[in-house]
Amino acid sequence: NAGVTQTPKFRVLKTGQSMTLLCAQDMNHEYMYWYRQDPGMGLRLIHYSVGEGTTAKGEVPDGYNVSRLKKQNFLLGLESAAPSQTSVYFCASTNRGRTGFRWTEAFFGQGTRLTVV
Amino acid sequence: SQQGEEDPQALSIQEGENATMNCSYKTSINNLQWYRQNSGRGLVHLILIRSNEREKHSGRLRVTLDTSKKSSSLLITASRAADTASYFCATDSATSGTYKYIFGTGTRLKVLA
Repeated sequence: NAGVTQTPKFRVLKTGQSMTLLCAQDMNHEYMYWYRQDPGMGLRLIHYSVGEGTTAKGEVPDGYNVSRLKKQNFLLGLESAAPSQTSVYFCASTNRGRTGFRWTEAFFGQGTRLTVV
Repeated sequence: SQQGEEDPQALSIQEGENATMNCSYKTSINNLQWYRQNSGRGLVHLILIRSNEREKHSGRLRVTLDTSKKSSSLLITASRAADTASYFCATDSATSGTYKYIFGTGTRLKVLA
C-alpha cells in the first residue's frame, strides 16, 4: 500500500522556469492538500481540494496553481519559479470521519525539496 | 498567521525523562491533532482529540485539550532517543466551514541518550 506518493523528490529550477509537482494517493481520499515548509515557519497551506474537480486557496496561494482532474491525483504548478519558492513541499490526504466529525488523520507524502536559483 | 503556535520552540531532555510541549490556537476548532516529523521526512499522525474531549492517551503519549484556553499539551513519558523529532499540532476551524488543516510552527525535541 503506497499511501501518498510525491514526485519528484528533488528538483532545482532556474528563476522563471515552470514545473509541476505530482501527488498521488491510493486510499480513495476525498481531501487533498499542498503545504510548503520553510525553516522556523512550520507548514503553510498553499491550496487544497475537497473533491475531484474542486480546488481552493489556502494561506499562501500566490505563485501556485493546482488541479484535481482525477480523485487520486493533486497537481501543484509553479508558473514562473522565484527564489522565494525554494522550500520543501508536502502533499497530504484525508477523508471525512465516520462518526460525523470532520476529521480523521491525514497521511503525508515524503516531500519534494525544491530549490530555485 | 498560523492557527497553532507550539511552545517551546526547542526542547532538549535526557532519555527517560518526560517531555511536554504545548499548542495554542486562535479560533474555535472541531479537532486538534498532533504529528511527528523526523528530520527530512513527512509527517506522521500521532493522536487526534476532539473538541468535546479533555484528555486522551495512546501508549506513552498523553494529550490534553482546554477549549476555554484554546490550548493543548502533548506529554511524552519515559522518552527515548528515537523520540527525537519535531512535533506539530494541527487544527481545523469550526467556523470556516471548510476542510483545512492548519499547522503550528512546531517544537523540536531532542532526546539525549
